[in-house]
Amino acid sequence: AQTVTQSQPEMSVQEAETVTLSCTYDTSESDYYLFWYKQPPSRQMILVIRQEAYKQQNATENRFSVNFQKAAKSFSLKISDSQLGDAAMYFCGNNAGNMLTFGGGTRLMVKP
Amino acid sequence: GAGVSQSPRYKVAKRGQDVALRCDPISGHVSLFWYQQALGQGPEFLTYFQNEAQLDKSGLPSDRFFAERPEGSVSTLKIQRTQQEDSAVYLCASSFLAGGYEQYFGPGTRLTVT
Repeated sequence: AQTVTQSQPEMSVQEAETVTLSCTYDTSESDYYLFWYKQPPSRQMILVIRQEAYKQQNATENRFSVNFQKAAKSFSLKISDSQLGDAAMYFCGNNAGNMLTFGGGTRLMVKP
Repeated sequence: GAGVSQSPRYKVAKRGQDVALRCDPISGHVSLFWYQQALGQGPEFLTYFQNEAQLDKSGLPSDRFFAERPEGSVSTLKIQRTQQEDSAVYLCASSFLAGGYEQYFGPGTRLTVT
């Protein structure tokens, strides 16, 4: 069984600052993929960033980057130069087969 | 191109009624997934299709839940004899293939059972 844990129910960041969202996971699979999804109040989930577990290099997408620590089973998301549009629920997910297992989410608030 | 669409967006059902939720995936996507998202929680997997074959239904909470994708495109999630605990947002997602491919999510159907 897979589990994903997000220990921060809420986070707050000042506009233009940097924030890091935490995620830990547990899996017995050796081949898996990790994702961060964003869910704005309109509810539609949008992929933010994806990491293959076999790659040591941390994934980066513009202002979004991850810190993937495979041995520690940690997969945190760093958002640089935070913008008001970044305010949303963020879900960490693990796909080791056919389904995504999600954490409970972190609500990110961005202060102007 | 068009994304994943779901209908209806909102559904109110009286306890004991049957409901049917529809998902139109992105054209050409082989894999289709259903998730249930309770208020304030992350989505939980219900079931997975590869084309018309339902390969995993381990997340369906009871035999009142049934999903189908008869022609390998549109999918329907049916809930019989709805209960209050079925109240949730039901999300559909599709991907080119399963595994590590990105899943594209629809806007969801919010089901309220009264």
